[in-house]
Amino acid sequence: DGGITQSPKYLFRKEGQNVTLSCEQNLNHDAMYWYRQDPGQGLRLIYYSQIVNDFQKGDIAEGYSVSREKKESFPLTVTSAQKNPTAFYLCASSISGGGSQPQHFGDGTRLSIL
Amino acid sequence: LAKTTQPISMDSYEGQEVNITCSHNNIATNDYITWYQQFPSQGPRFIIQGYKTKVTNEVASLFIPADRKSSTLSLPRVSLSDTAVYYCLVGDSGNTPLVFGKGTRLSVIA
Repeated sequence: DGGITQSPKYLFRKEGQNVTLSCEQNLNHDAMYWYRQDPGQGLRLIYYSQIVNDFQKGDIAEGYSVSREKKESFPLTVTSAQKNPTAFYLCASSISGGGSQPQHFGDGTRLSIL
Repeated sequence: LAKTTQPISMDSYEGQEVNITCSHNNIATNDYITWYQQFPSQGPRFIIQGYKTKVTNEVASLFIPADRKSSTLSLPRVSLSDTAVYYCLVGDSGNTPLVFGKGTRLSVIA
């Protein structure tokens, strides 16, 4: 089946560590996105990429980094500069960027600080 | 981007029809209206999308008046499993991604 796979489902980080969240899609979508969701809140956009080897900052990019070396992969690194990383992280993809194409989401990664 | 306003929460009994209205007063000519559903600890799921008038699929209906300044998601005969957060988003095919607000938390009661 086509879809988006996020791994791991749960992730724990020690203070000062960088961690990388994986996101893979086999939908042949050009655009991919990373969101952060805090309890009881909506989704906030971290980074998005509309094409391979290109990406743009979203509303809350500070303390995060991404790469888009392959069409199917869009990993997110939570760096030690992100002071409050505990959250639910969601990856999504769409056929193309913009607001008219529905986004398909993964099942998320829940990151916690030890 | 057109900003959207939705009720924070709604309650309904099983078997009732639920209508969630979203206000988007500054919607642009090329903007589409899209609704998503999110269950706890899962990613949002696309429900329905429309541009004008009425759209219906196997899950819901979307009513859009002529001025397009609002839209209403209609869920027929809800069940307990429809308890979720529902997001209304407005955007076009340009390069700017959609913005998710806090959505409407629907609680279905037996």
